[in-house]
Parts: sequence; structure tokens; C-alpha cells
Amino acid sequence: GQQLNQSPQSMFIQEGEDVSMNCTSSSIFNTWLWYKQDPGEGPVLLIALYKAGELTSNGRLTAQFGITRKDSFLNISASIPSDVGIYFCAGLNYGGSQGNLIFGKGTKLSVKP
Amino acid sequence: DAGVTQSPTHLIKTRGQQVTLRCSPKSGHDTVSWYQQALGQGPQFIFQYYEEEERQRGNFPDRFSGHQFPNYSSELNVNALLLGDSALYLCASRSGSPYGYTFGSGTRLTVV
Repeated sequence: GQQLNQSPQSMFIQEGEDVSMNCTSSSIFNTWLWYKQDPGEGPVLLIALYKAGELTSNGRLTAQFGITRKDSFLNISASIPSDVGIYFCAGLNYGGSQGNLIFGKGTKLSVKP
Repeated sequence: DAGVTQSPTHLIKTRGQQVTLRCSPKSGHDTVSWYQQALGQGPQFIFQYYEEEERQRGNFPDRFSGHQFPNYSSELNVNALLLGDSALYLCASRSGSPYGYTFGSGTRLTVV
């Protein structure tokens, strides 16, 4: 099935560092979403972006909807230990009663040893 | 207010068997989607149910089928299980806005 290209695949963070990850697609989406998944849990929505060029923040998280509608990035500022987990981007084209999410493969955030 | 609840949490089945997974959507939600998440991958869309009908389907074989009941709860059935069906199966529900998907914690299916 289709999956978005998400990078990096994994990264190690030290408390206080800023983190960036991005997501690209060969298809256009009219909505981009960012989720975080902790072990043994389902994905939890962090940020939703509805318009090309839109920049949205949620606390220490900032995400942007690319102007081409084919990409998005997520920044985490001043990381803390609870930021550890797997982050997924997801694209969505909504029409009528339909609309399913297309996910990236995820970016795994771990703590630097 | 309970979120999306899935049962069972873990399941081990043998190749060739059939399995049924269950999902109760978040209160007030009427649309249920199912996703398969293989290890190290992002979730893959299986199908979506609304008003007791399958509305949209991903690239999954007919061995995967589902049902939605009048109370909006849903089942995912997989027949003739293959080793490759081993995955975390996630249920997501929403109402109205397509952006308000809430995911359950999933059912971990292992096929041996």
C-alpha cells in the first residue's frame, strides 16, 4: 500500500535539543496530520494542517503544510524525555463521507545514551 | 468518556484459522476505520464503515472483511490467516469532521 516518505527514520535526542522531521509525497493532500505513538498504544493526534503554507503550533511543537501540498515538517523545540516515541505524518484527502489516512513509516525518537 | 476500545488486546492464531477483532468507537462517533500496522511500519488503511456499510477500502484481499452494527461498533474478520497477517490492528473512529480520528490501542495478532 501507499506510504509517505518520512525522514529521518530514527534519531537520538538529548534533553533540551530541537528536533526536526519531514514528510514528502508524490501525491497532493488537502490535509496533513502529525501523530505520536507510544509503545502499546494507538497513534495520538498532535497537529492538523488544513491549508497549503499553513504554520501551526501546539506548545513546543510546530508543523507546516508545504506550499506544494506534497510535504510537511514537524519541529519539536527544547525536547524533554517524554518526547520519546514514534512520530507519524499522515496525509488525508477528504470528500463526502470518505477520507482515509495515508501514513508515513514513522520517525523514532530515542534518548541519547 | 471512554475512547475507542478494542478487544482482545493480544491474540495468537494458527495459519489457516479465522479471527474476529472488535472495536467500540468513542462515544458520539459514527464512522469506524480499520488499519493494519506491521512491525516498524506506519498504519495501512484496510476499510471504513459508516451507516453499517463499507464506504472505502484499501488494498487488502477479500480475506479481510468487516461489519458495523447499529450501535456503531465494528468487527474485523480475517479468514485463512497467513504468517504475514501478524500485525497490530488499529481501529479509529470519528464523527463529522474527518480530522477528528481517535485511535484505539489496537489488537496485537500473531499468526504462527
